[in-house]
Amino acid sequence: QQPVQSPQAVILREGEDAVINCSSSKALYSVHWYRQKHGEAPVFLMILLKGGEQKGHDKISASFNEKKQQSSLYLTASQLSYSGTYFCGTEGKTSYDKVIFGPGTSLSVIP
Amino acid sequence: EAGVTQFPSHSVIEKGQTVTLRCDPISGHDNLYWYRRVMGKEIKFLLHFVKESKQDESGMPNNRFLAERTGGTYSTLKVQPAELEDSGVYFCASSQPSGTGYNSPLHFGNGTRLTVT
Repeated sequence: QQPVQSPQAVILREGEDAVINCSSSKALYSVHWYRQKHGEAPVFLMILLKGGEQKGHDKISASFNEKKQQSSLYLTASQLSYSGTYFCGTEGKTSYDKVIFGPGTSLSVIP
Repeated sequence: EAGVTQFPSHSVIEKGQTVTLRCDPISGHDNLYWYRRVMGKEIKFLLHFVKESKQDESGMPNNRFLAERTGGTYSTLKVQPAELEDSGVYFCASSQPSGTGYNSPLHFGNGTRLTVT
């Protein structure tokens, strides 16, 4: 089952913050986050595993609440380079399960 | 390390023709996935190989699509005969299972943009 993402799209000015949410009706074992710029390959940002941990990468961080079956991606002090479509991906129990992606959130950062 | 490579980068074919897409994963990656993105929509799962075996092909649209992975190395995705709705960007991704028991990051290729006219 495909995870749900919100919002569908967001426009930010440089320096503003944004939160992208990902939720699933199925039990989540791990959540992946990727960013795709127009015409390019999706690029891995981070994976969060069961345990409610929060991870960070530069000014982008994420949390994973397994009880609520939700993950959130936090972008702080956004830069122009953050523009793109953000996808969350959820996977099953084993290391051989597929990753299913949400519909994506289009993020545009303007000067 | 070399990344995931896909060939061709673009393909324009007529309805009813055949097209074969190729993916070379990162060396040593057991997991190989095919995904498709249509007109800015979601990245839709098609198929998952573990080495040379099809682990999950539940996303394959119909029997016009055939995927193979020779000797657990490169993979091909053949569409025969192509229909208009097959247009989109086909991505290949590979990963190596991590010691945690969950998948490690997916490494995507640049995709093949298929246009069926």
